[in-house]
Amino acid sequence: DTGVSQDPRHKITKRGQNVTFRCDPISEHNRLYWYRQTLGQGPEFLTYFQNEAQLEKSRLLSDRFSAERPKGSFSTLEIQRTEQGDSAMYLCASRLQGVSNNEQFFGPGTRLTVL
Amino acid sequence: DAKTTQPNSMESNEEEPVHLPCNHSTISGTDYIHWYRQLPSQGPEYVIHGLTSNVNNRMASLAIAEDRKSSTLILHRATLRDAAVYYCILGTDYNTDKLIFGTGTRLQVFP
Repeated sequence: DTGVSQDPRHKITKRGQNVTFRCDPISEHNRLYWYRQTLGQGPEFLTYFQNEAQLEKSRLLSDRFSAERPKGSFSTLEIQRTEQGDSAMYLCASRLQGVSNNEQFFGPGTRLTVL
Repeated sequence: DAKTTQPNSMESNEEEPVHLPCNHSTISGTDYIHWYRQLPSQGPEYVIHGLTSNVNNRMASLAIAEDRKSSTLILHRATLRDAAVYYCILGTDYNTDKLIFGTGTRLQVFP
């Protein structure tokens, strides 16, 4: 257990539905990251936050995706009008900026299946 | 982004050393070399990182070639728990925020 938690761990939804995932980072960590991982591939960067500010978004993050970190603590990732291609593991990570080894701590992920 | 190349898979026996190679011929002078691993059904976890000198920690050692175009992650005594996918990642600067994972090396460890 890294201290980063994600909820839910599994989500099955029908195409066209909206889904929201939550990530709770390690409490003192000011940076929070979202990645997506499909079967057999490494994780792909989606977006990251410095406290509540979203600093970078990948081109992978289409208009149907939105991420927030309203109080600089937990974060949510919402996917609107889900498509089958959205089926993947969604990983959250956090770190404390300025720590020497730059380590990102990952949560266990939320596995999304879109039927 | 600088690219890394790793073998798709490797095998080892338990308690033997494992050398996991990574080629990064287009590495820039400020790129750090990071290694993460992903155990089955878990998120990735940090293993080690370095810039020019070889590095050791409680999990592994990192040997970096003099020209920095390749590196090797060394597990001194593989255990069954070390069976995972190992990713070699280059960081654009000291504060790497956007980790670019490749497909990694899947390590199998046999008892």
